Amino acid sequence: DIVMTQTPSSQAVSAGEKVTMSCKSSQSLLYSENKKNYLAWYQQKPGQSPKLLISWASTRESGVPDRFIGSGSGTDFTLTISSVQAEDLAVYYCEQYYDTPYTFGAGTKLELK
Amino acid sequence: QVTLKESGPGILQPSQTLSLTCTFSGFSLSTYGMGVGWIRQPSGKGLEWLANIWWDDDKYYNPSLKNRLTISKDTSNNQAFLKITNVDTADTATYYCARICPMDAWGQGASVTVSS
Repeated sequence: DIVMTQTPSSQAVSAGEKVTMSCKSSQSLLYSENKKNYLAWYQQKPGQSPKLLISWASTRESGVPDRFIGSGSGTDFTLTISSVQAEDLAVYYCEQYYDTPYTFGAGTKLELK
Repeated sequence: QVTLKESGPGILQPSQTLSLTCTFSGFSLSTYGMGVGWIRQPSGKGLEWLANIWWDDDKYYNPSLKNRLTISKDTSNNQAFLKITNVDTADTATYYCARICPMDAWGQGASVTVSS
């Protein structure tokens, strides 16, 4: 199985701060045939279902604010929130869909400082 | 607009079989490239992928559940199903279905409690 490691597990932030969180995979998620990274980022707020923010490591879903930026390739990926808003307080998960079993990281919880 | 909704028994006893239904709209599982997956989340914990079914009836399972899973679909009625046999308390969780891949639309989740 591909192991997904997210850091930090939690982060206290203030509104307006820039936030970065990391996701590392135990093997490359870059498919050589199409040069795509099979990595997604999800946001889960309390009591809600996860919501897809970023697919293919860096493609923002329609309607997702442009303060959410996905980057990275191969085994190292980052989700950046350029200026955190109060509504961004949530748990963020990365997921690899390169190979089954699909696997998720343990999550990064954004909390208010 | 893509929507999905899970339904299940709510509560069941250890050793029983859990049957879940995902009813969706806005896409068809007979369309090339479409698929539905099942994911679960114990309260306060992370996400675990369980199984996928694709438009061509290809199926994939999480081997960690050791042959307890069966996924199927009813294309005519826009539904996907998941059965988990021989449940125990460790299967207590919220069960989600989602359109794949990646998981770009999720249902609201069905809470399942296994208790004697």
